[in-house]
Parts: sequence; structure tokens; C-alpha cells
Amino acid sequence: GAGVSQSPSNKVTEKGKDVELRCDPISGHTALYWYRQSLGQGLEFLIYFQGNSAPDKSGLPSDRFSAERTGGSVSTLTIQRTQQEDSAVYLCASSLESGGGASGTQYFGPGTRLLVL
Amino acid sequence: AQSVSQHNHHVILSEAASLELGCNYSYGGTVNLFWYVQYPGQHLQLLLKYFSGDPLVKGIKGFEAEFIKSKFSFNLRKPSVQWSDTAEYFCAVNAGGKNYGQNFVFGPGTRLSVLP
Repeated sequence: GAGVSQSPSNKVTEKGKDVELRCDPISGHTALYWYRQSLGQGLEFLIYFQGNSAPDKSGLPSDRFSAERTGGSVSTLTIQRTQQEDSAVYLCASSLESGGGASGTQYFGPGTRLLVL
Repeated sequence: AQSVSQHNHHVILSEAASLELGCNYSYGGTVNLFWYVQYPGQHLQLLLKYFSGDPLVKGIKGFEAEFIKSKFSFNLRKPSVQWSDTAEYFCAVNAGGKNYGQNFVFGPGTRLSVLP
């Protein structure tokens, strides 16, 4: 079946502009995650959605970052008033369920490479 | 909060050499453990995972990992690497709990370069 997809694959924007990044999880997956991967760095957790529960936003670096998940499927990560330090690859992952075990295994999308000039 | 450390930032090997990438985590409870691989220009892929049972886990492409609970370690091994194994390898730990998102923690990654 189809994997996690993300769009756009690349985004170049000017400092101060807003950007929206989209994630389509695997069909039927209830859990969705956003991560940020900066050059030479590991994955930095941003936000987590599980079903209809309130999202875990504890990883968002500032109030310029927000995310939504509509209808329990597609998610949009929005960065307002972008800064140069926001340049990174933004990764989305989904899992069948949260929690441990096989159903908690995350499957990743190809990422969106964001460059803020 | 739990953390994951990977011993080596960059490992360079010749083809046919044996590989061991270290991974340690800090969490005293039950954990699920993962190794992900990111080949150049590709997205993260699951290499192998441990949930319970036999602590020696076999994954794709001849990789294996051993969970040693007493050492809080989950080292990745391959007896004979190939040029195509050149990639970035990430260890990850899922400790579950209330704040689930934060409890799925990735290590900083180890870049493996295999020389032909």
C-alpha cells in the first residue's frame, strides 16, 4: 500500500513569510508525528497526534509553529514568520496506534526540505 | 526525560569489514527499541525492532541488533558490510507513557561510509 507522503518535497521561502507543510499518513494509521532534522543533527520531536485526543505539542520550538490534523488523517504543519534557523528537513511519520508493540512502529515520509533565505 | 546516545558520529569501513554501531538509552522501564536507516537521498526506513522475547533481533539486509538490558544498550551489527550500506543510522527508543510523542526518542545518528 501507499506509504506516508509529504508535500512539497522542497520549499524555498524568504525570511518572515509563512509556510505550510503537508503530510498524508498511511491509511488507517491513527498516530501521526512531526519531526525536524537539521543538517548533521538527529531527529527533533515537534508534535504528535493520536486519534481525536489533544495533540502533544511539547516539542514545538516556538509559538510560530503550529499543526493541525483534519479528520484524523491529513496533517499540516505551519511555520509563521519563518527565520533562517527554521531551515531543516521536516519529517512526518505515522503508526497504526500509539503505545508499544508492533502497532507503534513509525513509518516515515520522504520529508520536506525547507530553506529560509 | 529519556535520552538516546550513539557512540560514533562517523564510521568509515572498507567493504567486508565487520560493523558494530553502539546505542545506549537512559530509561529504567520497559522499552521498545528500533534502528532506522537513511540512505543518501532517501527517507528513513525501519531496519529492525525489538519489543520482547529473544534479545537478538535480525533485520533486513543482514543486520542484527542485541538488546542488553543490564547495559541499556541496543547495538547494531553486521558481519560484512557492503558499499551499499553507506547511510545514516539512527537508534530510537519508545518508552511509552502519557507523553507519548516525547517518549519516542531518536539518537543523533551515526554516519557510515563504506569504501569500495
